[in-house]
Amino acid sequence: DSGVTQTPKHLITATGQRVTLRCSPRSGDLSVYWYQQSLDQGLQFLIQYYNGEERAKGNILERFSAQQFPDLHSELNLSSLELGDSALYFCASTKGPATDTQYFGPGTRLTVL
Amino acid sequence: GENVEQHPSTLSVQEGDSAVIKCTYSDSASNYFPWYKQELGKGPQLIIDIRSNVGEKKDQRIAVTLNKTAKHFSLHITETQPEDSAVYFCAASQLRGANFGNEKLTFGTGTRLTIIP
Repeated sequence: DSGVTQTPKHLITATGQRVTLRCSPRSGDLSVYWYQQSLDQGLQFLIQYYNGEERAKGNILERFSAQQFPDLHSELNLSSLELGDSALYFCASTKGPATDTQYFGPGTRLTVL
Repeated sequence: GENVEQHPSTLSVQEGDSAVIKCTYSDSASNYFPWYKQELGKGPQLIIDIRSNVGEKKDQRIAVTLNKTAKHFSLHITETQPEDSAVYFCAASQLRGANFGNEKLTFGTGTRLTIIP
């Protein structure tokens, strides 16, 4: 158990809908990273937050957004969902903004029908 | 940006034999190379990592080697056991210090390792 929690575990929704994925980092970690894992694309970095502020951005679509709250949990919002958004979404956490070891949560499996 | 290639995509070895997974990276500025193990239904778990100031690191049955000149690094698992069956990912990033943003991890495409009893 990495200490990173993610909810929900599974999410099934329809095209055009909006969903919110939640992540709580390990105790003491200030940085949260979001990744998308699909069958044909591997693990793709989406976005990083450190202590409430966006720190780095990857291949995140404009339909997706994220934020980190004062209690350091983070939410990833996915809107206008398409079939191709079906994937596993992971968050990871680290202590600092440039700390090496990233600890991953168990992921949220999103299925868009 | 960084590009990480990983081979092979699948690997089957007899229990007790060794397994080797290889990765190459493109950005010579990358200086941190972790390896993650992902079991079915779980998130990736860090198993070993290496920084560019060392050439080899070992932890019990697992070792990682790094060749900076050739820009490749490898994971070696000896005396394989059934519980080693999983998908393994290599990754690369550039750590630039606490005052800079953490460079994103760029992952390889994964190797599905199957240990045959």
